[in-house]
Amino acid sequence: DIQMTQSPSSLSASLGDRVTITCRASQDIGNYLTWFQQKPGKSPRRMIYGATNLEDGVPSRFSGSRSGSDYSLTISSLESEDVADYHCLQSIQYPYTFGAGTKLELK
Amino acid sequence: EVQLQQSGAELVRPGTSVKLSCKVSGDTITAYYMHFVKQRPGQGLEWIGRIDPEDDSTKYAEKFKKKATLTADTSSNTAYLKLSSLTSEDTATYFCTTGVWDYWGQGVMVTVSS
Repeated sequence: DIQMTQSPSSLSASLGDRVTITCRASQDIGNYLTWFQQKPGKSPRRMIYGATNLEDGVPSRFSGSRSGSDYSLTISSLESEDVADYHCLQSIQYPYTFGAGTKLELK
Repeated sequence: EVQLQQSGAELVRPGTSVKLSCKVSGDTITAYYMHFVKQRPGQGLEWIGRIDPEDDSTKYAEKFKKKATLTADTSSNTAYLKLSSLTSEDTATYFCTTGVWDYWGQGVMVTVSS
């Protein structure tokens, strides 16, 4: 199975900070990487697909990038509404696997 | 607009089974693979498996092969997840989602308790 190692597991940042969350894939997954945002008691929301494509309606301060087997979600300037859990998912090979998640909080 | 409506919360006894539903509206269910995802309280997301309602083909994560059964009814545009031999480890919220992860059900909480 492909392992997705997500870091950090939790992150405390201030409003306006640049925030980066990373997932490292244990095997080549190409660009089959999706990022989700999940707020308490809610369903996950797709934010980035194909590693770098921004979902319609998602603020442009969110972006996705890839460097080798490392995939990153970056928030360029943190806003209060971005406080949430973030998850990555690889969907190139069954079984699909998620990262362990990152809890983003305000400092 | 595509919407996924899941069935209500369940309180079930250990050792029993439960069948959860996920009804698609706004499109035909055969347009999508349907995935199911598990989330234990305070934990991350786990992929259970997926069904292709077009031909009923399925894929499962190894740990769910004896636990979960996915089915679909094209006449009612509904996908189902059956969980068997329930234990406390199955207490979780279960989500359904479409094949490209863009539409999600609201989640259904399953509590296994005697």
